[in-house]
Amino acid sequence: AQTVTQSQPEMSVQEAETVTLSCTYDTSESDYYLFWYKQPPSRQMILVIRQEAYKQQNATENRFSVNFQKAAKSFSLKISDSQLGDAAMYFCAYPPPGANSKLTFGKGITLSVRP
Amino acid sequence: GAVVSQHPSRVICKSGTSVKIECRSLDFQATTMFWYRQFPKQSLMLMATSNEGSKATYEQGVEKDKFLINHASLTLSTLTVTSAHPEDSSFYICSASKGPLPYEQYFGPGTRLTVT
Repeated sequence: AQTVTQSQPEMSVQEAETVTLSCTYDTSESDYYLFWYKQPPSRQMILVIRQEAYKQQNATENRFSVNFQKAAKSFSLKISDSQLGDAAMYFCAYPPPGANSKLTFGKGITLSVRP
Repeated sequence: GAVVSQHPSRVICKSGTSVKIECRSLDFQATTMFWYRQFPKQSLMLMATSNEGSKATYEQGVEKDKFLINHASLTLSTLTVTSAHPEDSSFYICSASKGPLPYEQYFGPGTRLTVT
């Protein structure tokens, strides 16, 4: 079975500090994509970052970066210089192979940012 | 851009009635659209996948006769909750995939349905 696991239900970070959100997945494929989505209190899902498994370089988008460990099937999201607007639920997502663009989401993690 | 809209954003209906939710891709043609249900502080649960002009593919456990999906064009999909009951109250989210990058989905803002 293809699964996505986010084992931390909640995390908190001080404004301007760095926080890392964990995600592990299970797959037998060698080439695939991984995503992190953000859902703020407005509940609008926003794509934060995308990683292609065949690329060895970790993806980076401004203050957001990933630590992709393919062998360990780990895909963590690092948020640097945390801002109050980063407070949200974050979901790790993985598309099961041959699934017509479906995404499997993790349970999500609620991130709070302390001023 | 890749903007997806949903209408209405909130709807309240009486038990036994039907309600329709629209999902539109505003600036792109969506090859595939998806409908999710989300309970408070929980993850998104995929209900069905739809492609323009063909029948939707429902996930296991989702009643196709209760949640009718029509994908009339490359920019419009609708979800109709038929004979709604209070347990159908939830947050419904649609998303659309445009390619060429596979799997990337763009999400609508969601619709909060309350059945009284």
